[in-house]
Amino acid sequence: GQQVMQIPQYQHVQEGEDFTTYCNSSTTLSNIQWYKQRPGGHPVFLIQLVKSGEVKKQKRLTFQFGEAKKNSSLHITATQTTDVGTYFCAGGSQGNLIFGKGTKLSVKP
Amino acid sequence: ETGVTQTPRHLVMGMTNKKSLKCEQHLGHNAMYWYKQSAKKPLELMFVYSLEERVENNSVPSRFSPECPNSSHLFLHLHTLQPEDSALYLCASSRELAQHNEQFFGPGTRLTVL
Repeated sequence: GQQVMQIPQYQHVQEGEDFTTYCNSSTTLSNIQWYKQRPGGHPVFLIQLVKSGEVKKQKRLTFQFGEAKKNSSLHITATQTTDVGTYFCAGGSQGNLIFGKGTKLSVKP
Repeated sequence: ETGVTQTPRHLVMGMTNKKSLKCEQHLGHNAMYWYKQSAKKPLELMFVYSLEERVENNSVPSRFSPECPNSSHLFLHLHTLQPEDSALYLCASSRELAQHNEQFFGPGTRLTVL
């Protein structure tokens, strides 16, 4: 079946360092969503990208959707301890939303 | 608080028990989902309902039986589970069954099968 690959699986950073997680699909996606799950919590919607090459920012978070609509990235500038958690991408295709396996971010103060 | 509630929050059951997980959404959404979250498969879609009709069943074993009596409520009936079924079970809802709709997740039920 169709898959959305997400890398890396884990990322450990020092507070203040930047962080990026990448999402890739073998087929063209109609949209991409990003979710964050805090430790012990549940996934919470962050943002949706729909247009080819789209870039959206939320404070220190920058989201990109590739020109071919097959990949996406989430970049966090100057991480803080409040950024810890697992970040999931979810690609929309043929009426379904397919979640990646997530990137677990830990931030060392 | 996302408007999606789940009970119980924690459940421990033996392999011969029968139990049910309950999900309720107060958002007026038409689509509801069950996910299984474990270390091996972080977000595994189990069932999808749209307007109380099941539209997807992702090869889930028959020991899991969903029920959607109305668009606000979703149940997952459990019987003769296996230890490998221990996981976090997440319920989610969205306005419509469409890939562009944001999904709202409940807090989950942490299930342990002994």
